[in-house]
Amino acid sequence: GEDVEQSLFLSVREGDSSVINCTYTDSSSTYLYWYKQEPGAGLQLLTYIFSNMDMKQDQRLTVLLNKKDKHLSLRIADTQTGDSAIYFCAESRRSNDYKLSFGAGTTVTVRA
Amino acid sequence: NAGVMQNPRHLVRRRGQEARLRCSPVKGHSHVYWYRQLPEEGLKFMVYLQKENIIDESGMPKERFSAEFPKEGPSILRIQQVVRGDSAAYFCASSPTEMINYGYTFGSGTRLTVV
Repeated sequence: GEDVEQSLFLSVREGDSSVINCTYTDSSSTYLYWYKQEPGAGLQLLTYIFSNMDMKQDQRLTVLLNKKDKHLSLRIADTQTGDSAIYFCAESRRSNDYKLSFGAGTTVTVRA
Repeated sequence: NAGVMQNPRHLVRRRGQEARLRCSPVKGHSHVYWYRQLPEEGLKFMVYLQKENIIDESGMPKERFSAEFPKEGPSILRIQQVVRGDSAAYFCASSPTEMINYGYTFGSGTRLTVV
């Protein structure tokens, strides 16, 4: 199987919270990242978390890391139409931390 | 301060032609990384280059693909004798050092279509 897995689609109502989930397989993962890709655009780094942290909050974004279960989540509070995009989870490992492994991406659709 | 610049944004090639994709890193960045995104998949690492050196090409197909990052000018990803399966989005990223703990800066990508 893939090193990083994500659910493919999420539909959420404007104003609600979105939760995007990701699981990874390698316990030596050191940094975990969330990227956002809007249609036809490149990847924008949203946030990252080091593997010795449980949680990180940055304005509307909250990242939770359960290292025991190798589970990462991204919560977007007060979801807006501008949050419609594909969200990629990625991880890097201490041995060669320049090489990111990406999930296939979760397409988030925000409906009015 | 411009970010990572990739051109062209879109490239159409017939089967058997050559594709050349260019990437200009963020000013002052000497480390460049190429990734490929096949339709409905995540990005896959291809190659990591520093100026005039290939550091890790473990993700590059052994044939038809090559990459360079000369002392002067942009990094080039070259695909010879393209086939339909090469159709993908190719992204370049750069960093100032080899430590990218805080994530790369990605370009907007080149979308290659092979007809």
